[in-house]
Amino acid sequence: DAMVIQNPRYQVTQFGKPVTLSCSQTLNHNVMYWYQQKSSQAPKLLFHYYDKDFNNEADTPDNFQSRRPNTSFCFLDIRSPGLGDAAMYLCATSKGLAGTYEQYFGPGTRLTVT
Amino acid sequence: AQRVTQPEKLLSVFKGAPVELKCNYSYSGSPELFWYVQYSRQRLQLLLRHISRESIKGFTADLNKGETSFHLKKPFAQEEDSAMYYCALSGSSMDSNYQLIWGAGTKLIIKP
Repeated sequence: DAMVIQNPRYQVTQFGKPVTLSCSQTLNHNVMYWYQQKSSQAPKLLFHYYDKDFNNEADTPDNFQSRRPNTSFCFLDIRSPGLGDAAMYLCATSKGLAGTYEQYFGPGTRLTVT
Repeated sequence: AQRVTQPEKLLSVFKGAPVELKCNYSYSGSPELFWYVQYSRQRLQLLLRHISRESIKGFTADLNKGETSFHLKKPFAQEEDSAMYYCALSGSSMDSNYQLIWGAGTKLIIKP
């Protein structure tokens, strides 16, 4: 089945220790998104790629970076995780950017910062 | 300001009863409206969108531009409908504002 895969599903890191979360897709979609979702809150868009074009949301902290080496893979790097960065991180893809395109979500990576 | 409001954080109804999850929006252009659902231990997924005008799992939602609402309805709730429901808005293909604006979500619990 075509899908969005996230690894690992659970990640524990120490305060200040860099961590990378991974997302891959078999849908061949042009757009890949990273969201942060904290408990009982809506997903918050961090950034997205349209093909190789990177778009950062204005309020995404500099601590968060992303890489998309090819169509299938996208990575979220947190350079110095703080306790406030503990959350579920969702990767999503869509065929295009316009509002009519459905977003397909991965299962998420739950990040714990100790 | 562009905003999606889901006034109920939690909605609890008995099995077989009608369900209505409220969604109101504020948007200056022509929005595309969606309902996404997250069942327990499953990924977030699209339930329905207003342009499709379809019924999914017995749910329907009508875009009311006059009241700026997109309420989700089902006449007879089933236990498997228990989930977190998010209303979301995006600009149309004619609009440069394409990212999803999310409501805070409503947790729906169907009691047996």
